[in-house]
Amino acid sequence: SQTIHQWPATLVQPVGSPLSLECTVEGTSNPNLYWYRQAAGRGLQLLFYSVGIGQISSEVPQNLSASRPQDRQFILSSKKLLLSDSGFYLCAWVKTSGGDEQFFGPGTRLTVL
Amino acid sequence: QKEVEQDPGPLSVPEGAIVSLNCTYSNSAFQYFMWYRQYSRKGPELLMYTYSSGNKEDGRFTAQVDKSSKYISLFIRDSQPSDSATYLCGPYGQNFVFGPGTRLSVLP
Repeated sequence: SQTIHQWPATLVQPVGSPLSLECTVEGTSNPNLYWYRQAAGRGLQLLFYSVGIGQISSEVPQNLSASRPQDRQFILSSKKLLLSDSGFYLCAWVKTSGGDEQFFGPGTRLTVL
Repeated sequence: QKEVEQDPGPLSVPEGAIVSLNCTYSNSAFQYFMWYRQYSRKGPELLMYTYSSGNKEDGRFTAQVDKSSKYISLFIRDSQPSDSATYLCGPYGQNFVFGPGTRLSVLP
Protein backbone atom coordinates (compact mmCIF):
# COMPACT_ATOMS: atom_id res chain seq x y z
CA SER A 1 0.00 0.00 0.00
CA GLN A 2 1.02 3.58 -0.51
CA THR A 3 2.03 5.86 2.31
CA ILE A 4 3.22 9.43 2.50
CA HIS A 5 5.51 10.79 5.17
CA GLN A 6 6.30 14.31 6.24
CA TRP A 7 8.78 15.58 8.74
CA PRO A 8 9.16 17.22 11.01
CA ALA A 9 5.65 17.18 12.41
CA THR A 10 6.11 20.44 14.27
CA LEU A 11 8.68 23.18 13.85
CA VAL A 12 9.30 26.51 15.55
CA GLN A 13 11.77 28.75 13.77
CA PRO A 14 12.91 32.37 14.19
CA VAL A 15 12.36 34.95 11.48
CA GLY A 16 15.22 34.94 9.00
CA SER A 17 16.21 31.34 9.58
CA PRO A 18 16.30 28.72 6.79
CA LEU A 19 13.71 26.01 6.30
CA SER A 20 13.70 22.51 4.93
CA LEU A 21 10.61 20.32 5.00
CA GLU A 22 10.70 16.86 3.54
CA CYS A 23 8.04 14.65 2.03
CA THR A 24 8.47 11.09 0.83
CA VAL A 25 6.03 8.69 -0.77
CA GLU A 26 6.19 4.91 -0.59
CA GLY A 27 4.48 2.23 -2.61
CA THR A 28 4.09 4.07 -5.89
CA SER A 29 6.30 5.37 -8.66
CA ASN A 30 6.33 8.56 -10.68
CA PRO A 31 3.63 10.31 -8.66
CA ASN A 32 2.62 13.91 -9.13
CA LEU A 33 3.63 15.71 -5.94
CA TYR A 34 2.19 18.84 -4.34
CA TRP A 35 3.01 21.28 -1.55
CA TYR A 36 0.16 23.18 0.07
CA ARG A 37 0.02 25.71 2.87
CA GLN A 38 -3.00 26.09 5.11
CA ALA A 39 -2.99 29.23 7.23
CA ALA A 40 -5.11 29.36 10.36
CA GLY A 41 -8.78 29.57 9.42
CA ARG A 42 -8.00 29.58 5.72
CA GLY A 43 -8.14 27.07 2.91
CA LEU A 44 -5.45 25.13 1.16
CA GLN A 45 -3.12 27.23 -0.94
CA LEU A 46 -1.23 25.34 -3.61
CA LEU A 47 2.43 26.35 -3.47
CA PHE A 48 4.26 23.98 -5.81
CA TYR A 49 3.62 20.88 -7.85
CA SER A 50 5.91 18.47 -9.63
CA VAL A 51 5.24 15.96 -12.40
CA GLY A 52 8.73 14.44 -12.29
CA ILE A 53 12.28 14.62 -10.99
CA GLY A 54 13.63 18.13 -11.27
CA GLN A 55 10.33 19.47 -12.62
CA ILE A 56 8.81 22.10 -10.36
CA SER A 57 5.96 24.49 -11.04
CA SER A 58 5.31 27.41 -8.73
CA GLU A 59 1.79 28.64 -8.17
CA VAL A 60 2.50 31.73 -6.09
CA PRO A 61 5.51 34.08 -5.87
CA GLN A 62 7.11 33.98 -2.44
CA ASN A 63 10.32 33.29 -0.60
CA LEU A 64 9.79 29.53 -0.71
CA SER A 65 11.24 27.06 -3.19
CA ALA A 66 10.76 23.37 -3.87
CA SER A 67 12.93 20.60 -5.23
CA ARG A 68 12.40 17.02 -6.29
CA PRO A 69 15.76 15.30 -6.17
CA GLN A 70 14.28 11.79 -6.36
CA ASP A 71 11.12 10.33 -7.79
CA ARG A 72 9.35 10.02 -4.46
CA GLN A 73 10.96 12.86 -2.53
CA PHE A 74 9.72 16.44 -2.46
CA ILE A 75 11.41 19.16 -0.45
CA LEU A 76 10.16 22.61 0.51
CA SER A 77 12.79 25.16 1.40
CA SER A 78 13.36 28.75 2.32
CA LYS A 79 16.56 30.73 2.79
CA LYS A 80 14.97 33.25 5.16
CA LEU A 81 11.65 32.68 6.86
CA LEU A 82 9.07 35.42 7.28
CA LEU A 83 6.39 35.66 9.96
CA SER A 84 3.81 35.14 7.22
CA ASP A 85 5.31 31.72 6.44
CA SER A 86 3.68 30.28 9.56
CA GLY A 87 1.07 27.67 8.77
CA PHE A 88 0.28 24.04 8.25
CA TYR A 89 2.25 22.60 5.33
CA LEU A 90 0.80 19.62 3.55
CA CYS A 91 2.40 17.38 0.97
CA ALA A 92 0.18 15.36 -1.34
CA TRP A 93 0.50 12.93 -4.22
CA VAL A 94 -1.61 11.73 -7.09
CA LYS A 95 -1.17 8.82 -9.47
CA THR A 96 -0.02 10.10 -12.84
CA SER A 97 -2.20 7.53 -14.59
CA GLY A 98 -5.36 9.63 -14.38
CA GLY A 99 -5.68 9.57 -10.62
CA ASP A 100 -8.82 11.01 -9.18
CA GLU A 101 -7.80 11.15 -5.56
CA GLN A 102 -5.14 13.28 -3.91
CA PHE A 103 -3.53 11.63 -0.88
CA PHE A 104 -2.28 13.97 1.80
CA GLY A 105 0.50 13.57 4.29
CA PRO A 106 0.11 14.25 8.02
CA GLY A 107 1.42 17.80 7.64
CA THR A 108 4.05 19.97 9.28
CA ARG A 109 2.95 22.76 11.60
CA LEU A 110 5.41 25.64 11.23
CA THR A 111 5.48 28.58 13.60
CA VAL A 112 7.77 31.46 12.74
CA LEU A 113 8.52 33.73 15.69
CA GLN B 1 -13.45 35.88 -8.61
CA LYS B 2 -12.03 32.93 -6.69
CA GLU B 3 -12.20 29.58 -8.44
CA VAL B 4 -13.98 27.91 -5.54
CA GLU B 5 -16.01 29.66 -2.85
CA GLN B 6 -17.28 28.12 0.34
CA ASP B 7 -18.80 29.48 3.54
CA PRO B 8 -16.07 28.99 6.17
CA GLY B 9 -18.56 28.62 9.02
CA PRO B 10 -18.26 27.59 11.75
CA LEU B 11 -21.45 25.60 11.51
CA SER B 12 -22.79 24.03 14.71
CA VAL B 13 -25.61 21.49 14.65
CA PRO B 14 -27.09 19.07 17.19
CA GLU B 15 -26.40 15.37 16.85
CA GLY B 16 -28.81 13.71 14.43
CA ALA B 17 -29.36 16.82 12.33
CA ILE B 18 -29.14 16.90 8.55
CA VAL B 19 -26.19 19.00 7.47
CA SER B 20 -25.89 20.81 4.15
CA LEU B 21 -22.49 22.05 3.02
CA ASN B 22 -22.17 24.03 -0.18
CA CYS B 23 -19.63 25.30 -2.67
CA THR B 24 -19.72 27.31 -5.85
CA TYR B 25 -17.11 27.29 -8.58
CA SER B 26 -16.36 29.53 -11.51
CA ASN B 27 -14.67 27.40 -14.18
CA SER B 28 -17.19 25.46 -16.25
CA ALA B 29 -14.39 23.20 -17.56
CA PHE B 30 -14.14 21.32 -14.28
CA GLN B 31 -15.32 17.71 -14.52
CA TYR B 32 -14.43 15.93 -11.26
CA PHE B 33 -15.71 17.23 -7.97
CA MET B 34 -14.30 16.24 -4.61
CA TRP B 35 -15.19 16.54 -0.95
CA TYR B 36 -12.40 16.15 1.56
CA ARG B 37 -12.73 15.91 5.32
CA GLN B 38 -10.00 17.29 7.55
CA TYR B 39 -9.85 16.63 11.25
CA SER B 40 -8.02 19.11 13.42
CA ARG B 41 -4.23 19.03 12.94
CA LYS B 42 -4.48 16.28 10.30
CA GLY B 43 -4.16 16.15 6.54
CA PRO B 44 -7.36 16.10 4.48
CA GLU B 45 -8.76 12.76 3.37
CA LEU B 46 -11.05 12.11 0.44
CA LEU B 47 -14.65 11.66 1.49
CA MET B 48 -16.45 11.49 -1.84
CA TYR B 49 -16.07 12.43 -5.43
CA THR B 50 -18.40 12.71 -8.38
CA TYR B 51 -17.79 12.99 -12.08
CA SER B 52 -21.03 14.39 -13.40
CA SER B 53 -24.14 16.22 -12.45
CA GLY B 54 -26.59 14.51 -10.14
CA ASN B 55 -26.33 12.75 -6.82
CA LYS B 56 -23.93 10.21 -5.41
CA GLU B 57 -24.71 8.50 -2.14
CA ASP B 58 -22.34 6.76 0.28
CA GLY B 59 -23.87 5.77 3.59
CA ARG B 60 -24.95 8.91 5.42
CA PHE B 61 -23.28 11.15 2.86
CA THR B 62 -24.74 12.43 -0.41
CA ALA B 63 -22.79 14.56 -2.87
CA GLN B 64 -24.74 16.63 -5.34
CA VAL B 65 -23.46 18.51 -8.36
CA ASP B 66 -25.37 21.05 -10.43
CA LYS B 67 -23.14 22.01 -13.33
CA SER B 68 -25.65 24.43 -14.79
CA SER B 69 -25.38 26.63 -11.72
CA LYS B 70 -21.81 25.55 -10.80
CA TYR B 71 -22.99 24.44 -7.39
CA ILE B 72 -21.69 21.54 -5.30
CA SER B 73 -23.38 20.23 -2.16
CA LEU B 74 -22.64 17.65 0.50
CA PHE B 75 -25.46 16.39 2.71
CA ILE B 76 -24.82 14.50 5.93
CA ARG B 77 -27.76 12.60 7.39
CA ASP B 78 -28.00 11.65 11.07
CA SER B 79 -24.91 13.72 11.85
CA GLN B 80 -22.60 12.42 14.56
CA PRO B 81 -20.03 14.15 16.79
CA SER B 82 -17.38 12.23 14.84
CA ASP B 83 -18.42 14.23 11.77
CA SER B 84 -17.00 17.35 13.41
CA ALA B 85 -14.27 18.46 11.04
CA THR B 86 -13.51 20.91 8.27
CA TYR B 87 -15.00 19.96 4.92
CA LEU B 88 -13.18 21.07 1.80
CA CYS B 89 -14.76 21.04 -1.62
CA GLY B 90 -13.02 21.30 -4.92
CA PRO B 91 -13.23 20.52 -8.57
CA TYR B 92 -10.24 18.82 -10.10
CA GLY B 93 -8.82 20.57 -13.09
CA GLN B 94 -5.22 20.79 -14.15
CA ASN B 95 -4.36 20.89 -10.50
CA PHE B 96 -6.44 20.40 -7.47
CA VAL B 97 -8.30 23.50 -6.38
CA PHE B 98 -9.91 23.68 -2.98
CA GLY B 99 -12.40 25.90 -1.31
CA PRO B 100 -11.44 27.43 2.05
CA GLY B 101 -13.36 24.73 3.92
CA THR B 102 -16.39 24.80 6.19
CA ARG B 103 -15.79 23.98 9.84
CA LEU B 104 -18.57 21.77 11.18
CA SER B 105 -19.27 21.00 14.83
CA VAL B 106 -21.84 18.34 15.70
CA LEU B 107 -22.84 18.73 19.31
CA PRO B 108 -23.82 15.66 21.37
